[in-house]
Amino acid sequence: DAGVIQSPRHEVTEMGQEVTLRCKPISGHNSLFWYRQTMMRGLELLIYFNNNVPIDDSGMPEDRFSAKMPNASFSTLKIQPSEPRDSAVYFCASTPDREYNSPLHFGNGTRLTVT
Amino acid sequence: AQTVTQSQPEMSVQEAETVTLSCTYDTSESNYYLFWYKQPPSRQMILVIRQEAYKQQNATENRFSVNFQKAAKSFSLKISDSQLGDTAMYFCAFMKHEFVGANSKLTFGKGITLSVRP
Repeated sequence: DAGVIQSPRHEVTEMGQEVTLRCKPISGHNSLFWYRQTMMRGLELLIYFNNNVPIDDSGMPEDRFSAKMPNASFSTLKIQPSEPRDSAVYFCASTPDREYNSPLHFGNGTRLTVT
Repeated sequence: AQTVTQSQPEMSVQEAETVTLSCTYDTSESNYYLFWYKQPPSRQMILVIRQEAYKQQNATENRFSVNFQKAAKSFSLKISDSQLGDTAMYFCAFMKHEFVGANSKLTFGKGITLSVRP
Protein backbone atom coordinates (compact mmCIF):
# COMPACT_ATOMS: atom_id res chain seq x y z
CA ASP A 1 0.00 0.00 0.00
CA ALA A 2 1.75 3.14 -1.24
CA GLY A 3 -0.48 5.54 0.62
CA VAL A 4 -1.99 8.74 -0.79
CA ILE A 5 0.48 10.32 -3.19
CA GLN A 6 0.56 14.04 -3.80
CA SER A 7 2.67 16.03 -6.21
CA PRO A 8 4.52 18.27 -6.24
CA ARG A 9 5.73 18.39 -2.64
CA HIS A 10 6.61 22.05 -3.00
CA GLU A 11 5.42 24.61 -5.52
CA VAL A 12 6.58 28.19 -5.84
CA THR A 13 4.87 30.38 -8.39
CA GLU A 14 4.24 34.00 -9.19
CA MET A 15 0.94 35.74 -8.70
CA GLY A 16 -1.33 35.31 -11.67
CA GLN A 17 0.05 31.96 -12.75
CA GLU A 18 -1.99 28.77 -12.95
CA VAL A 19 -1.19 26.11 -10.37
CA THR A 20 -2.21 22.45 -10.55
CA LEU A 21 -1.90 20.12 -7.58
CA ARG A 22 -2.20 16.39 -8.08
CA CYS A 23 -3.37 13.49 -5.95
CA LYS A 24 -3.46 9.73 -6.31
CA PRO A 25 -5.66 8.13 -3.64
CA ILE A 26 -5.08 4.72 -2.14
CA SER A 27 -6.25 2.01 -4.52
CA GLY A 28 -9.79 0.93 -3.67
CA HIS A 29 -10.65 4.11 -1.80
CA ASN A 30 -13.78 5.71 -3.22
CA SER A 31 -13.88 8.97 -1.29
CA LEU A 32 -11.34 11.73 -1.82
CA PHE A 33 -10.96 14.99 0.10
CA TRP A 34 -8.97 18.18 -0.51
CA TYR A 35 -7.99 20.21 2.58
CA ARG A 36 -6.08 23.45 2.92
CA GLN A 37 -3.95 24.24 5.99
CA THR A 38 -2.93 27.76 7.03
CA MET A 39 -1.73 29.19 10.32
CA MET A 40 -4.71 31.49 10.57
CA ARG A 41 -7.53 29.12 9.63
CA GLY A 42 -6.14 25.68 10.42
CA LEU A 43 -7.37 22.77 8.29
CA GLU A 44 -10.29 23.60 6.04
CA LEU A 45 -12.16 21.19 3.79
CA LEU A 46 -12.28 22.53 0.25
CA ILE A 47 -14.13 19.77 -1.59
CA TYR A 48 -14.77 16.06 -1.48
CA PHE A 49 -15.66 13.40 -4.02
CA ASN A 50 -17.34 10.04 -3.79
CA ASN A 51 -16.98 7.64 -6.71
CA ASN A 52 -15.44 10.50 -8.73
CA VAL A 53 -18.50 12.74 -8.21
CA PRO A 54 -18.15 16.01 -6.26
CA ILE A 55 -20.37 15.76 -3.17
CA ASP A 56 -19.64 18.99 -1.33
CA ASP A 57 -17.67 21.91 -2.76
CA SER A 58 -18.95 24.52 -0.35
CA GLY A 59 -15.45 25.02 1.02
CA MET A 60 -13.96 26.09 -2.28
CA PRO A 61 -13.03 29.72 -1.60
CA GLU A 62 -13.87 31.23 -4.96
CA ASP A 63 -14.16 30.63 -8.66
CA ARG A 64 -10.40 30.69 -9.06
CA PHE A 65 -10.37 27.24 -7.47
CA SER A 66 -11.53 24.13 -9.31
CA ALA A 67 -11.16 20.42 -8.66
CA LYS A 68 -11.66 17.38 -10.85
CA MET A 69 -11.59 13.64 -10.45
CA PRO A 70 -11.57 12.15 -13.94
CA ASN A 71 -11.12 8.61 -12.64
CA ALA A 72 -10.83 6.64 -9.42
CA SER A 73 -7.06 6.97 -9.23
CA PHE A 74 -6.46 10.66 -9.91
CA SER A 75 -7.63 14.08 -8.81
CA THR A 76 -6.45 17.64 -9.45
CA LEU A 77 -6.92 20.93 -7.65
CA LYS A 78 -6.34 23.93 -9.88
CA ILE A 79 -5.95 27.58 -8.95
CA GLN A 80 -6.18 30.08 -11.79
CA PRO A 81 -5.05 32.80 -11.39
CA SER A 82 -3.10 32.26 -8.18
CA GLU A 83 -2.75 34.96 -5.51
CA PRO A 84 -0.35 35.35 -2.55
CA ARG A 85 -3.19 34.60 -0.11
CA ASP A 86 -3.47 31.13 -1.64
CA SER A 87 -0.12 30.25 -0.05
CA ALA A 88 -0.78 27.23 2.18
CA VAL A 89 -0.27 23.51 2.49
CA TYR A 90 -2.81 21.56 0.50
CA PHE A 91 -3.64 18.04 1.61
CA CYS A 92 -5.40 15.26 -0.22
CA ALA A 93 -6.96 12.40 1.76
CA SER A 94 -8.94 9.27 0.91
CA THR A 95 -11.14 6.68 2.60
CA PRO A 96 -12.64 3.36 1.49
CA ASP A 97 -16.32 3.47 0.66
CA ARG A 98 -16.95 0.04 2.13
CA GLU A 99 -16.01 1.32 5.56
CA TYR A 100 -18.37 4.11 6.41
CA ASN A 101 -17.07 6.59 8.91
CA SER A 102 -13.50 5.34 8.56
CA PRO A 103 -10.67 7.75 9.34
CA LEU A 104 -8.98 9.68 6.56
CA HIS A 105 -5.65 8.62 5.11
CA PHE A 106 -3.67 11.74 4.26
CA GLY A 107 -0.99 12.44 1.69
CA ASN A 108 2.12 14.39 2.65
CA GLY A 109 0.71 17.61 1.30
CA THR A 110 1.85 20.20 -1.23
CA ARG A 111 3.31 23.42 0.15
CA LEU A 112 2.28 26.21 -2.22
CA THR A 113 3.99 29.59 -2.13
CA VAL A 114 2.64 32.35 -4.35
CA THR A 115 4.90 35.39 -4.59
CA ALA B 1 -22.80 22.63 11.68
CA GLN B 2 -20.16 21.18 13.91
CA THR B 3 -17.35 23.11 15.57
CA VAL B 4 -14.21 21.83 17.25
CA THR B 5 -12.28 23.99 19.70
CA GLN B 6 -8.74 23.55 20.91
CA SER B 7 -8.16 26.50 23.18
CA GLN B 8 -4.51 25.83 24.10
CA PRO B 9 -2.23 26.89 21.22
CA GLU B 10 0.83 25.19 22.65
CA MET B 11 2.08 23.04 25.50
CA SER B 12 5.37 21.71 26.74
CA VAL B 13 6.16 18.56 28.72
CA GLN B 14 9.26 16.92 30.11
CA GLU B 15 10.29 13.65 28.55
CA ALA B 16 8.76 10.61 30.37
CA GLU B 17 6.02 12.71 31.96
CA THR B 18 2.30 12.74 31.18
CA VAL B 19 0.49 15.49 29.31
CA THR B 20 -3.18 16.08 28.52
CA LEU B 21 -4.38 17.98 25.46
CA SER B 22 -7.87 19.47 25.60
CA CYS B 23 -10.60 19.53 22.98
CA THR B 24 -14.25 20.50 23.07
CA TYR B 25 -16.81 20.29 20.32
CA ASP B 26 -20.32 21.37 19.58
CA THR B 27 -22.86 19.32 17.66
CA SER B 28 -26.54 18.45 17.62
CA GLU B 29 -25.75 14.96 16.35
CA SER B 30 -26.19 12.02 18.71
CA ASN B 31 -23.95 9.59 16.87
CA TYR B 32 -20.52 10.60 15.69
CA TYR B 33 -16.80 9.87 15.80
CA LEU B 34 -13.91 11.79 17.29
CA PHE B 35 -10.27 11.59 16.30
CA TRP B 36 -6.87 12.85 17.29
CA TYR B 37 -4.35 13.35 14.50
CA LYS B 38 -0.66 14.06 14.93
CA GLN B 39 1.32 16.24 12.52
CA PRO B 40 5.09 16.08 13.10
CA PRO B 41 7.49 18.53 11.42
CA SER B 42 7.51 16.22 8.40
CA ARG B 43 3.97 17.52 7.76
CA GLN B 44 2.41 14.06 7.51
CA MET B 45 -1.01 13.70 9.17
CA ILE B 46 -1.04 10.56 11.32
CA LEU B 47 -4.10 9.11 13.02
CA VAL B 48 -3.39 8.68 16.74
CA ILE B 49 -6.67 7.47 18.19
CA ARG B 50 -10.39 7.23 17.41
CA GLN B 51 -13.50 7.21 19.63
CA GLU B 52 -17.04 6.22 18.69
CA ALA B 53 -19.60 8.38 20.50
CA TYR B 54 -21.88 5.42 21.23
CA LYS B 55 -19.12 3.68 23.19
CA GLN B 56 -18.82 4.64 26.84
CA GLN B 57 -15.39 3.08 27.21
CA ASN B 58 -12.52 5.45 26.52
CA ALA B 59 -10.27 4.44 23.63
CA THR B 60 -6.62 3.59 24.28
CA GLU B 61 -3.67 3.00 21.95
CA ASN B 62 -0.48 2.12 23.81
CA ARG B 63 0.68 5.36 25.50
CA PHE B 64 -2.27 7.34 24.14
CA SER B 65 -5.69 7.42 25.75
CA VAL B 66 -8.70 9.68 25.67
CA ASN B 67 -11.11 11.04 28.24
CA PHE B 68 -14.42 11.24 26.40
CA GLN B 69 -17.16 13.13 28.24
CA LYS B 70 -20.18 13.07 25.91
CA ALA B 71 -22.46 15.23 28.04
CA ALA B 72 -19.78 17.88 28.40
CA LYS B 73 -18.76 17.47 24.73
CA SER B 74 -15.18 17.09 25.76
CA PHE B 75 -12.53 14.84 24.20
CA SER B 76 -9.06 15.17 25.72
CA LEU B 77 -5.94 13.22 24.75
CA LYS B 78 -3.55 11.91 27.39
CA ILE B 79 -0.02 11.02 26.40
CA SER B 80 1.80 8.93 29.00
CA ASP B 81 5.57 8.52 29.21
CA SER B 82 6.12 11.32 26.69
CA GLN B 83 8.87 10.75 24.14
CA LEU B 84 10.84 13.20 22.04
CA GLY B 85 9.13 11.77 18.96
CA ASP B 86 5.80 12.96 20.31
CA THR B 87 6.81 16.54 19.50
CA ALA B 88 4.24 17.59 16.92
CA MET B 89 1.06 19.49 16.28
CA TYR B 90 -2.04 17.61 17.46
CA PHE B 91 -5.46 18.07 15.90
CA CYS B 92 -8.80 17.07 17.33
CA ALA B 93 -11.42 16.20 14.68
CA PHE B 94 -15.13 15.40 14.46
CA MET B 95 -17.02 13.24 11.96
CA LYS B 96 -20.76 12.71 12.07
CA HIS B 97 -22.08 9.22 11.53
CA GLU B 98 -23.29 8.34 8.04
CA PHE B 99 -25.46 5.33 7.37
CA VAL B 100 -25.30 5.29 3.62
CA GLY B 101 -23.64 7.15 0.82
CA ALA B 102 -20.42 9.10 0.92
CA ASN B 103 -18.15 9.14 3.91
CA SER B 104 -18.72 12.16 6.05
CA LYS B 105 -16.15 14.92 6.15
CA LEU B 106 -13.84 15.64 9.08
CA THR B 107 -14.04 18.96 10.91
CA PHE B 108 -10.76 19.89 12.57
CA GLY B 109 -9.80 22.08 15.50
CA LYS B 110 -7.03 24.66 15.06
CA GLY B 111 -4.47 22.34 16.61
CA ILE B 112 -2.06 22.48 19.53
CA THR B 113 1.72 22.45 19.30
CA LEU B 114 3.26 20.02 21.77
CA SER B 115 6.96 20.19 22.59
CA VAL B 116 8.62 17.38 24.53
CA ARG B 117 11.73 18.57 26.38
CA PRO B 118 14.68 16.22 26.90
